[in-house]
Amino acid sequence: AQKITQTQPGMFVQEKEAVTLDCTYDTSDQSYGLFWYKQPSSGEMIFLIYQGSYDEQNATEGRYSLNFQKARKSANLVISASQLGDSAMYFCAMREGLGGTSYGKLTFGQGTILTVHP
Amino acid sequence: GAGVSQTPSNKVTEKGKYVELRCDPISGHTALYWYRQSLGQGPEFLIYFQGTGAADDSGLPNDRFFAVRPEGSVSTLKIQRTERGDSAVYLCASSLTGSTNEKLFFGSGTQLSVL
Repeated sequence: AQKITQTQPGMFVQEKEAVTLDCTYDTSDQSYGLFWYKQPSSGEMIFLIYQGSYDEQNATEGRYSLNFQKARKSANLVISASQLGDSAMYFCAMREGLGGTSYGKLTFGQGTILTVHP
Repeated sequence: GAGVSQTPSNKVTEKGKYVELRCDPISGHTALYWYRQSLGQGPEFLIYFQGTGAADDSGLPNDRFFAVRPEGSVSTLKIQRTERGDSAVYLCASSLTGSTNEKLFFGSGTQLSVL
């Protein structure tokens, strides 16, 4: 089974609007971390936001927030007030704790290409 | 250093040749990771080091791939008898201790092209 699933190959959003990028994950471990990274066309991987499995509050970092629904095993990224510079590939990733089958490494989804229109 | 450094940034080689890709992690980071990324895909895990030892090498595709980190800092990914299918961007990343809540800091990658 895929550890991380991103079902949206591509998304389009109008500048200044909000957009949600979907991510579901699969783990039997109780302790894990969820990450979102942005990869512009330049190729660098930019960390955006982190959510721990025991965190009760949804993580927020500026215009980025993570809609964490533990029972559904989803960790969707919400970008508010989209900007042209947000156009990039977005990756959801998970690192499991000691009880996980893939402890230590960060496992990535296939990514979603976001295009922001002016 | 200030960030994760990877050299070379581009490597063009011929099928069958041997290549070495170098990664210099952030100073003091004990955890080091190698990933391979094909165009339009997510990074694919190759190997993870804790200090000098490979904690998880389950992602190495076959025995042509090997990585070392002899002093717990710089790491070298070695590919023998390269094949055209090895062409990809090879990303290196590091984190302070490798614990679950730590973000990975990535280098700019090495674009490997096997002709």
